[in-house]
Amino acid sequence: EIVMTQSPATLSVSPGERATLSCRASQSVSSNLAWYQQKPGQAPRLLIYGASTRATGIPARFSGSGSGTEFTLTISSLQSEDFAVYYCQQYNNWPLGTFGPGTKVDIK
Amino acid sequence: EVQLLESGGGLVQPGGSLRLSCAASGFTFSNYAMSWVRQAPGKGLEWVSAISGSGGSTYYADSVKGRFTISRDNFKNTLYLQMNSLRAEDTAVYYCAKSHFVQGAAFFDYWGQGTLVTVSS
Repeated sequence: EIVMTQSPATLSVSPGERATLSCRASQSVSSNLAWYQQKPGQAPRLLIYGASTRATGIPARFSGSGSGTEFTLTISSLQSEDFAVYYCQQYNNWPLGTFGPGTKVDIK
Repeated sequence: EVQLLESGGGLVQPGGSLRLSCAASGFTFSNYAMSWVRQAPGKGLEWVSAISGSGGSTYYADSVKGRFTISRDNFKNTLYLQMNSLRAEDTAVYYCAKSHFVQGAAFFDYWGQGTLVTVSS
């Protein structure tokens, strides 16, 4: 089983600042990596797939990078609606896609 | 507009059974694999089960294999999860999610709002 780790567990950021979230896979997943955003009481929402492709309707301030085992989600200028938990997920061996434990982005 | 609407959650005793449903609309249901993903209270996301568009192939996480059964009715555009021999550790919000394949690998592009299953005596 591919194990996903995310760091940091919590990221405290001021509105307007840049946030950088990391995700690591225990073995290569090529570019089969997605990022999801989840707000309290809501379902996850797809942000990024293919490591760097924004999903439909996702603002350009969200960007993804990486391949193999190391991935990054960057939020260029945090807006109030961006404070949430972010999960990465590898889907290299569908359907056994595994999620990372999440990074909570909260207000500094 | 893609919509996924789960139902069927509730309180059940350990060892009991429950059937979840997910009504889909806004896309050609039979063309897409579907999955169930769960989230225990305050915890992360765990993939539970998946089914191909035709229903001919099914997949399960080890934690539910032999206890849960995924199925679909492509005429009713509905996904199901039959859960038997429920345990306290099955307590979670259960989401149905639509799979989107790109070059042979699939992520979840749409999610339902979830239905809460609580296993407790």
